Amino acid sequence: GQNIDQPTEMTATEGAIVQINCTYQTSGFNGLFWYQQHAGEAPTFLSYNVLDGLEEKGRFSSFLSRSKGYSYLLLKELQMKDSASYLCAVSEYGNKLVFGAGTILRVKS
Amino acid sequence: ETGVTQSPTHLIKTRGQQVTLRCSSQSGHNTVSWYQQALGQGPQFIFQYYREEENGRGNFPPRFSGLQFPNYSSELNVNALELDDSALYLCASSPRLVGDEQFFGPGTRLTVL
Repeated sequence: GQNIDQPTEMTATEGAIVQINCTYQTSGFNGLFWYQQHAGEAPTFLSYNVLDGLEEKGRFSSFLSRSKGYSYLLLKELQMKDSASYLCAVSEYGNKLVFGAGTILRVKS
Repeated sequence: ETGVTQSPTHLIKTRGQQVTLRCSSQSGHNTVSWYQQALGQGPQFIFQYYREEENGRGNFPPRFSGLQFPNYSSELNVNALELDDSALYLCASSPRLVGDEQFFGPGTRLTVL
């Protein structure tokens, strides 16, 4: 079966660093995506990992371990605008994405 | 470059009715996927179209059907609406079949009464 787990909610302070974990078990694997979704809006792309290791893009980094079925999204220098839901998604076949339920991140001042 | 657009933005229907949602892919994108997102949940894959052919389907009943047109725009049709069909319906396009990020449209919020 397919299963993607991530924490339901996290709270962090402005300027801090937060790590959002994701574990997955899917029938196929063509890569792992992280999306950001503000309330009432469409998901927007943050990162894509297909090989093991760390991908860095500005304040955001994403890590993948395929053998462990594990990924994390690291957000540095948190800003209030980073308050959103963060979705972990695995590409199973083609570009079919299997999403987790999302992690609601609240950034407080 | 125009992004992914969807229409309508909001829609209210009653149980048993039929609905058609529309999506215009980003220019140059030949793959479109449809997702259903219930409140507080992640998007659930409905189906995908690649060059006008269905290329995979999620765990949704046959009353969910779709089309992709030669210009790569797409439709999602839902027959015999049920209360549980109330959700945000997202369309996403990508330039290739594998290994590309998907660009999401703003979604259609469907309410079934």
